Amino acid sequence: NAGVTQTPKFRVLKTGQSMTLLCAQDMNHEYMYWYRQDPGMGLRLIHYSVGEGTTAKGEVPDGYNVSRLKKQNFLLGLESAAPSQTSVYFCASSYGGNIQYFGAGTRLSVL
Amino acid sequence: GEDVEQSLFLSVREGDSSVINCTYTDSSSTYLYWYKQEPGAGLQLLTYIFSNMDMKQDQRLTVLLNKKDKHLSLRIADTQTGDSAIYFCAERPANSGYSTLTFGKGTMLLVSP
Repeated sequence: NAGVTQTPKFRVLKTGQSMTLLCAQDMNHEYMYWYRQDPGMGLRLIHYSVGEGTTAKGEVPDGYNVSRLKKQNFLLGLESAAPSQTSVYFCASSYGGNIQYFGAGTRLSVL
Repeated sequence: GEDVEQSLFLSVREGDSSVINCTYTDSSSTYLYWYKQEPGAGLQLLTYIFSNMDMKQDQRLTVLLNKKDKHLSLRIADTQTGDSAIYFCAERPANSGYSTLTFGKGTMLLVSP
């Protein structure tokens, strides 16, 4: 039972490049979330999903897109990366919404 | 809107007790959480408390909730160097769509030998 797995763990992009971050959970959770963590800012919610095929915007959705084609996977896409998107990205999942379980994070640098 | 405030830094000696404080603004919050983040790692749920409780104890951890003052604290007894980490307080407001959480900025706990 791996829990919540994020890939890749590290990535460096040039401004304007695109990439997709993958989050996979094996706990059959309905809810999944993407957060970003910046120094002195805590965690801020980017997008979330309450089930396969559904997504919703969080606090800071601009510049990101998401997809939940399969229940176990939640993808976060950056179409045209900007330096302001340099951050640590965390995925989380939850069964009934009360307890969120987090992945180990993806550290992204945009040059 | 909701806001969760924490002090940024706490330093204690090994063996002492640590108390990390948090204030929140949404009185409708149903659950309040403490997460721990070790360097380079994700967030690990330490404990949580329902809003209808005043206290919860779990081994070395004690959570106190003062709903009147919207104040949450985490006490770690016999603090060890392995407890050095960033601790995040989070609330789940009753009106949070689909159980989204609001996190504080985190308190860095440094435990010295």
